[in-house]
Amino acid sequence: EVQLVESGGGLVQPGRSLRLSCAASGFTFDDYAMHWVRQVPGKGLEWVSGISWNSGMIGYADSVQGRFTISRDNAKNSLFLQMNTLRADDTALYYCVKDRFSSGRCPDHWGQGTLVTVSS
Amino acid sequence: QSALTQPPSASGSPGQSVTIPCTGTSSDVGGYNYVSWYQQHPGKAPKILIYEVIKRPSGVPDRFSGSRSGNTASLTVSGLQAEDEADYYCSSYAGSDTFVFGTGTKVTVL
Repeated sequence: EVQLVESGGGLVQPGRSLRLSCAASGFTFDDYAMHWVRQVPGKGLEWVSGISWNSGMIGYADSVQGRFTISRDNAKNSLFLQMNTLRADDTALYYCVKDRFSSGRCPDHWGQGTLVTVSS
Repeated sequence: QSALTQPPSASGSPGQSVTIPCTGTSSDVGGYNYVSWYQQHPGKAPKILIYEVIKRPSGVPDRFSGSRSGNTASLTVSGLQAEDEADYYCSSYAGSDTFVFGTGTKVTVL
């Protein structure tokens, strides 16, 4: 059974940094691309970033380009999101999402999310 | 990276069908065969229903079907059931390793 467990969320002041982690199990992690998707409670989904199986292809939403960095450690079955210069509008539930493919064309299985709150 | 356009709400009686459109551009929905649909119940993580425009993952009932015409993709839920009451989102690959989601549609079963 695919399991994705996010961690690292919390309350952070504007301008500070936070690093999210996602521990994956139940599948061969390095066969699949991965994504981060966020959702403001009560609002819609916003794709944040994606990374291919070998980190060769990485993409970011315009809203986080230059501030967020996605990475993965295939040896540890882990996905990360380094979030710098956080703003109030980054407040959201952040989901770790497995892709159906290695190159990253179909976000598929979702974790339960970790909540990030940016506030002074 | 503009969000794909979906109607805020849709509804139908049990047993009826409801179709949810998802309108994008030739740079996303109309340009790639990578349109997906997700169902999200309150307080839960989204669940995939359709991928690659028309394909259904194993375990998803065949009451859910996808289609596309030009820059508009659609999800049809046939034989509506009470458990289908949820929020539905489309998404599309948008090139350069980026994705875009739809604005979301709340489906009500009357």
